[in-house]
Amino acid sequence: DTEVTQTPKHLVMGMTNKKSLKCEQHMGHRAMYWYKQKAKKPPELMFVYSYEKLSINESVPSRFSPECPNSSLLNLHLHALQPEDSALYLCASSRIRDRLYEQYFGPGTRLTVT
Amino acid sequence: AQTVTQSQPEMSVQEAETVTLSCTYDTSESDYYLFWYKQPPSRQMILVIRQEAYKQQNATENRFSVNFQKAAKSFSLKISDSQLGDAAMYFCAYRSPLDLNDYKLSFGAGTTVTVRA
Repeated sequence: DTEVTQTPKHLVMGMTNKKSLKCEQHMGHRAMYWYKQKAKKPPELMFVYSYEKLSINESVPSRFSPECPNSSLLNLHLHALQPEDSALYLCASSRIRDRLYEQYFGPGTRLTVT
Repeated sequence: AQTVTQSQPEMSVQEAETVTLSCTYDTSESDYYLFWYKQPPSRQMILVIRQEAYKQQNATENRFSVNFQKAAKSFSLKISDSQLGDAAMYFCAYRSPLDLNDYKLSFGAGTTVTVRA
């Protein structure tokens, strides 16, 4: 199984809503990532979890709150978002301490903030 | 962070022909890893090919091959016998060997490839 799944596929939320994005992998990867991707742009790294601990926060606003409940799951909690937060949110996973190993990406959640 | 430059925003290729995508990068490291990722429209990003900097031999994966010129810091991707399914945005990415736990990729801006039937 080389799949990273993400739910929901699409999400529309108002600026006062609270919602969560979910990501799951069963490849035994111990690194998991959240990226934000605007149209026709490369992914921008938001957070990295290593062994279920947050290891990188790329100065992301606090209205984005990541959570890694176990080694297979990664959540991104959203609250009081702005319209400019509308984007494709990608989850990825990889092995750790394997320099050449690739990141596996999920299909993404397309988020629209109204 | 290392800078990765893809100077071609868009490329168009006739089906069955060959197209080459350029990528240059800036680094002071001697050991590193380079990747080409493909992101088809509304589909997930997948790895196309990878290259270790200490290996002289250019990587090849079926119709995809790279021309790795370490001294020139160039890592171009050649797609041979282009197929309609090759239409996608292609990203060149760099990874430092120092990031063993925090696997950060530096992405280029991307090149959109269109395949004409």
